[in-house]
Amino acid sequence: EVQLVESGGGLIQPGGSLRLSCAASGFSFRSYWMHWVRQAPGKGLEWVSHINSDGSIRRYADSVKGRFTISRDNAKNTLYLQVNSLRAEDTAVYYCAGPYSGTLGYWGQGTLVIVSS
Amino acid sequence: DIQLTQSPSSLSASVGDRVTITCQASQDIGNSLNWYQQKPGKAPKLLIYDASILETGVSSRFSGSRSGTDFTLTISRLQPGDIATYYCQQYDNLPPYTFGQGTKLEIK
Repeated sequence: EVQLVESGGGLIQPGGSLRLSCAASGFSFRSYWMHWVRQAPGKGLEWVSHINSDGSIRRYADSVKGRFTISRDNAKNTLYLQVNSLRAEDTAVYYCAGPYSGTLGYWGQGTLVIVSS
Repeated sequence: DIQLTQSPSSLSASVGDRVTITCQASQDIGNSLNWYQQKPGKAPKLLIYDASILETGVSSRFSGSRSGTDFTLTISRLQPGDIATYYCQQYDNLPPYTFGQGTKLEIK
């Protein structure tokens, strides 16, 4: 059974940083693309970033470019999102998802990030 | 960036009805469109990929189609368990892989 388990969210002050993690199991993590998608409270889905299987390709939404960094550790079957210079508008549930470059058949349960003073 | 215009934003239908949700792309994206279902408090679930291919394990009451830049998700014989918000998503060429605004489906 495929499982994606996010962690690392929480309450953080504006300008702060967090590292979100996503532990994967039940599929060949090292072979697939992975993504981060977020959802602000009561709002729709927003694609944030993706990374290819070996980490050589990383792309970002304009809204997070220069502030967020996606990475992966294939030895640990774990996806990461380093989020810096956080703003109130970054408040959202952050989902990790996979396994293709554009199609998201696997989703985690999400981790909530609240940016507030 | 490619924009997706999803309609309606909300929809109320009766059990057993046939429901149609549309998604219009701002430019040609070929068949690079997916449909997701999101129930309250849950992660999205892939229903349809490549515009019309049913994801494994998804009920055959769900179907997808394409006409040019217009895409349609159809739910036949609506069931109470279909209550959710539905999103389209395009993945043509390079990111951002935009989502539609969502359609909230309710039972009358």
